[in-house]
Amino acid sequence: DIQVTQSPSSVSASIGDRVTITCRASQFIGSFLAWYQQKPGKAPKLLIYGASNLQSGVPSRFSGSGYGTDFTLTISSLQPEDFATYYCQQANSDPLTFGGGTKVE
Amino acid sequence: VNLEEAGGGLVKPGGSLRLSCAASGFTFRDYYMAWIRQAPGKGLEWLSYISSSGSTKYYAASVKGRFTISRDNANNSIHLQMNSLTADDTAVYYCAKDRGGNNYDYWGQGTVVTVSS
Repeated sequence: DIQVTQSPSSVSASIGDRVTITCRASQFIGSFLAWYQQKPGKAPKLLIYGASNLQSGVPSRFSGSGYGTDFTLTISSLQPEDFATYYCQQANSDPLTFGGGTKVE
Repeated sequence: VNLEEAGGGLVKPGGSLRLSCAASGFTFRDYYMAWIRQAPGKGLEWLSYISSSGSTKYYAASVKGRFTISRDNANNSIHLQMNSLTADDTAVYYCAKDRGGNNYDYWGQGTVVTVSS
């Protein structure tokens, strides 16, 4: 199975800050990585797929990059509604696996 | 697009439960679907997916042999039959639509399963 490791597990940030979250896969996964945002008591929301493709309706301050085993999610200017937990997910091979999450607080 | 799960509840260890997910707002028969769960205070765990026709299914090791995914394209729904439940299965269970490439673009609100004596 492909393991997916996120870092940091939490990050403290302020409105307007640039926030970067990292995800590392234990094996090569090409561009098969997605990012999700989850707020307390809510279902996850797809932000990025294919490592760098912005899902429809997601603000352009979110961006993704990376290829192979190392990936990043960047929030260019943190907004109040962005305080949440973020998960990466490898979509390359079964079983699909999620990272442990990064809480932005 | 709307996904609505049902069937969660309290069940004793060793018991069974059948979850359902009713889908609307898209051409259901064209898309893979999946079940994903989240234990209290924990991260997301992918459990199973089913192909658009229902002919292909895959399970996580943690549920293989105990859980069975199925779909009814005539009624736009998927199901998860859960047997031999343990406390470790306590979680919120989400159904999700695969936009393609194992990326989940729509999720239900979740249904809570609690396994306890």
